[in-house]
Amino acid sequence: SFELTQPSSVSVSPGQPATISCSGDVLPSQYAYWYQQKPGQAPVLVIYKDRERPSGIPERFSGSSSGTTVTLTISGVQAEDEADYYCQSGDSSGAYVVFGGGTKLTVL
Amino acid sequence: EVQLVESGGGLVQSGGSLRLSCGASGFTFSSNWMLWVRQAPGKGLVWVSRISSDGSNTHYADSVKGRFTISRDNAKKTLYLHMNSLRADDTATYYCTRGSPAAAGTSFYYGLDVWGQGTTVTVSS
Repeated sequence: SFELTQPSSVSVSPGQPATISCSGDVLPSQYAYWYQQKPGQAPVLVIYKDRERPSGIPERFSGSSSGTTVTLTISGVQAEDEADYYCQSGDSSGAYVVFGGGTKLTVL
Repeated sequence: EVQLVESGGGLVQSGGSLRLSCGASGFTFSSNWMLWVRQAPGKGLVWVSRISSDGSNTHYADSVKGRFTISRDNAKKTLYLHMNSLRADDTATYYCTRGSPAAAGTSFYYGLDVWGQGTTVTVSS
């Protein structure tokens, strides 16, 4: 089995950048993905393949990767960005999928 | 509009069975991997199972292996999750989600880009 580790919470003031990290031994060899989940709603994909942004996702969302850590950055956080964020990856065969424990982003 | 709609959740006693369904529309269902992901109340996302586009390849999380079975009917554009020997810790909202096309490197190569609204399963002890 393998794990992805995220901070449980991050707080940031509006207009400031927010960074959420995700670490795991599988990340140097496997892509990471990020999902945003607001209360009572289904998750939404915001970053795929470490740094690609799906259509319709604001440009302020970006992803990066370095070794065993991937990072989601939200530049100029807005109140609407307050949500839980989950990283996700998988094993080399793609047979298994794993999510990080989630990070609650609070906009002060 | 690309859409996934789950159904079949409900209240079941410990040891019981349930079948979840997920109807797809707005895309070529038979071209994509499909996955089930669950979320216990107040907890994070947990992958449950995945199935290849033609149904020939399946995998399960250790926590459900031997108890849950994923299947699909491409003609009906429907994904299923058959759940047996249910336990209290299976209580969760179950989401079906679209994986990548069959030709992609992994089942999630382009991310899990479409999610249903979820169906709630409550297992009483």
